[in-house]
Amino acid sequence: DGGITQSPKYLFRKEGQNVTLSCEQNLNHDAMYWYRQDPGQGLRLIYYSQIVNDFQKGDIAEGYSVSREKKESFPLTVTSAQKNPTAFYLCASSMEEYTDTQYFGPGTRLTVL
Amino acid sequence: ILNVEQSPQSLHVQEGDSTNFTCSFPSSNFYALHWYRWETAKSPEALFVMTLNGDEKKKGRISATLNTKEGYSYLYIKGSQPEDSATYLCASSGGSNYKLTFGKGTLLTVNP
Repeated sequence: DGGITQSPKYLFRKEGQNVTLSCEQNLNHDAMYWYRQDPGQGLRLIYYSQIVNDFQKGDIAEGYSVSREKKESFPLTVTSAQKNPTAFYLCASSMEEYTDTQYFGPGTRLTVL
Repeated sequence: ILNVEQSPQSLHVQEGDSTNFTCSFPSSNFYALHWYRWETAKSPEALFVMTLNGDEKKKGRISATLNTKEGYSYLYIKGSQPEDSATYLCASSGGSNYKLTFGKGTLLTVNP
């Protein structure tokens, strides 16, 4: 079945460690996105990518990094520079940037111990 | 950054009741308005995308309207069912880069 997958579902990290969240899609979508959700807040855009080997910062990119080496994959690294990394992270993809419906993965809940 | 507001924040209704929520967004440089349904332990699911003033979309018992001049959209659910319980998100795109800005959502609970 076509869809978008994220792994792991739950992730625990010690303070000061980098951690990478996986996002894979087989929908043949060009655009991919990473969002963060915190309690009482809307989804906030971290990074997005319109095409392979290209990505742009979103509203809260500090402390995060991404890569887009393959169309299907858009991993997000939460670095030790991210001051408040504990959150729920959602990955999404769409056929075209923004204007098209975005399809979301199931999310990864990251907890920093 | 666009400011997208949703109201109410949460809502409890009885099975069979009809209900509606509001999404307000800046009307300048508007491009599109998206509605998503997010059930617990699932991925957000797209409901509607609307772009033109006066647009109305319908999917089963759920419908939505769009007023781009005054910057609001309504989502209606007719005859709510327990399976409608979810958080309903709206997101607006516009401005120079068309990125989506999400509201905080409306949490709907339908009691049987």
